Amino acid sequence: GAGVSQTPSNKVTEKGKYVELRCDPISGHTALYWYRQSLGQGPEFLIYFQGTGAADDSGLPNDRFFAVRPEGSVSTLKIQRTERGDSAVYLCASSLGGGRANEQFFGPGTRLTVL
Amino acid sequence: AQKVTQAQTEISVVEKEDVTLDCVYETRDTTYYLFWYKQPPSGELVFLIRRNSFDEQNEISGRYSWNFQKSTSSFNFTITASQVVDSAVYFCALSEANRGSTLGRLYFGRGTQLTVWP
Repeated sequence: GAGVSQTPSNKVTEKGKYVELRCDPISGHTALYWYRQSLGQGPEFLIYFQGTGAADDSGLPNDRFFAVRPEGSVSTLKIQRTERGDSAVYLCASSLGGGRANEQFFGPGTRLTVL
Repeated sequence: AQKVTQAQTEISVVEKEDVTLDCVYETRDTTYYLFWYKQPPSGELVFLIRRNSFDEQNEISGRYSWNFQKSTSSFNFTITASQVVDSAVYFCALSEANRGSTLGRLYFGRGTQLTVWP
């Protein structure tokens, strides 16, 4: 069965460039989360989608970060004017609903390196 | 303030030893959920267990067991007779559920790197 997939698995870019990271959730999962994991740290929440709308984007660090989920399935995390501090693994997770108890299934992550 | 604290950064044990990973959490919500995830070297987070704040019964699953104590705000994880394949980073996480909380948002600890030597 298909789990959460993320592309690309690795992305190397130069400071100041624009990047897009894609997440394909498990089919039928309405809730989608983005997290960022820096080296030696636990994942940190970025944004939560319920369906097409961003229900909570309070974790986005600044306005260079933006995410969309136009059809309630695939989501894209967009980072403008990348900085070296953006280097991290970006994780996507999905769950059946936005319920507090629903298990979140995580993708393998996209490792972003900003040179 | 850190909502989830995993004070042990790294633990090394020899195969067949028992090992306990500590987790202390902080929340003002009366309803919340606690989780443990495993992150092997491949990087993908694997769900291990979920407990809600109203169920303090300890749970055992094979070689794994969990001890939830609200009085000390702790949710510790014990692996009995550890194996090399248990080597991974283990994360404890909290999800708050009162009004105003983002449903499902997970607050993770910094993780404990467990190394099991043959």
